[in-house]
Amino acid sequence: DIQMTQSPSSLSASVGDRVTITCRASQSISSYLNWYQQKPGKAPKLLIYAASSLQSGVPSRFSGSGSGTDFTLTISSLQPEDFATYYCQQSYSTPPTFGPGTKVDIK
Amino acid sequence: QVQLVESGGGVVQPGGSLRLSCAASGFTFSSYGMHWVRQAPGKGLEWVAFIRYDGSNKYYADSVKGRFTISRDNSKNTLYLQMNSLRAEDTAVYYCAKDGMPGIAVAGSIDYWGQGTLVTVSS
Repeated sequence: DIQMTQSPSSLSASVGDRVTITCRASQSISSYLNWYQQKPGKAPKLLIYAASSLQSGVPSRFSGSGSGTDFTLTISSLQPEDFATYYCQQSYSTPPTFGPGTKVDIK
Repeated sequence: QVQLVESGGGVVQPGGSLRLSCAASGFTFSSYGMHWVRQAPGKGLEWVAFIRYDGSNKYYADSVKGRFTISRDNSKNTLYLQMNSLRAEDTAVYYCAKDGMPGIAVAGSIDYWGQGTLVTVSS
């Protein structure tokens, strides 16, 4: 199985900050990398698919990049509604594994 | 709009069984693969199972293989998860989820999720 890691595991940031979260795969997954946002008590929400494609309805302050084994999710200007946990997921091979998550909270 | 509504969760004793259902609407159910994903209390997301759009292929996480069975009824727009030989470590919120691409044979991104149903395995 492909193992996914994320860094940092948590971070504190202020509204307006630029935030970057990193995801790494244990082997090359081309661009088969997706990002999700989850708020407490809610279902996850797809933000980015295929490493850099913005899901419909997701604000443009979210962007994704990378290919192979290293990927990043960037929030260009953090908004109050962005405080949440973010997960990466590879869909290159089955099982489609998730990263452990990165919790973004208020500084 | 896409809607996925899970039901069937509850409290069950270790070794027991439970069947989850997911009623889908707002999209052509028979064209999309479907997933079950779970989340133990305070933990991250764990993919559980995937079924191809036509039901001809099914995939499972090693942690549930041989105990859980995913199935679908395209005439009823409903996804199922039969869970047998339940263990304490199966305690989680179980999400029904729709794959992002139609007509795909293997698991991909997940573009819609249900609200989840809680399964608690405890004596």
